[in-house]
Amino acid sequence: DGGITQSPKYLFRKEGQNVTLSCEQNLNHDAMYWYRQDPGQGLRLIYYSQIVNDFQKGDIAEGYSVSREKKESFPLTVTSAQKNPTAFYLCASKRTMNTEAFFGQGTRLTVV
Amino acid sequence: AQSVAQPEDQVNVAEGNPLTVKCTYSVSGNPYLFWYVQYPNRGLQFLLKYITGDNLVKGSYGFEAEFNKSQTSFHLKKPSALVSDSALYFCAVRDNNNDMRFGAGTRLTVKP
Repeated sequence: DGGITQSPKYLFRKEGQNVTLSCEQNLNHDAMYWYRQDPGQGLRLIYYSQIVNDFQKGDIAEGYSVSREKKESFPLTVTSAQKNPTAFYLCASKRTMNTEAFFGQGTRLTVV
Repeated sequence: AQSVAQPEDQVNVAEGNPLTVKCTYSVSGNPYLFWYVQYPNRGLQFLLKYITGDNLVKGSYGFEAEFNKSQTSFHLKKPSALVSDSALYFCAVRDNNNDMRFGAGTRLTVKP
């Protein structure tokens, strides 16, 4: 089945730790995105990538880092510099500029 | 930058009644507008999009949306609501950099 897969579904992080969220797609999409979702705030863009080995900061990139070494993969690292990382994280991909985005099932990150 | 607004946090309708979830947009140039639905602890699912052409767009699960250029609106509609339509609905617009800008979301509750 074609799709976009995020793992893990739930993740717990201790204060001061870096954690990496996985996002893999087999849709052959060029563009990939990371969003953060907090209650009542909709989706906010963290990073996006339109091509392998290239990515751009979104609105809330501070405390996050990404890589795009393969077309299929766009992992997100939540660093210790992110002061309030507890949120629901969504990864998405798009085929072209005018097409709809496909979303993964999300990763819920909680700081303990 | 392009943006969308969803003026209602919550919409309540009775099963079988028509529903409307409102969205207004602010863009420079031609708008590329989308509606997505999110069920609890899941990713977003695409419902429909407006790129060009007919102002009435038909989408998945019996939903449709009306593009109104003079009112800068793209309201989501369904003639007869189902309890299973209860979810969080997001309006989105494609930004100039090919990222997506989302509204804050509207929670739809359909009561039996």
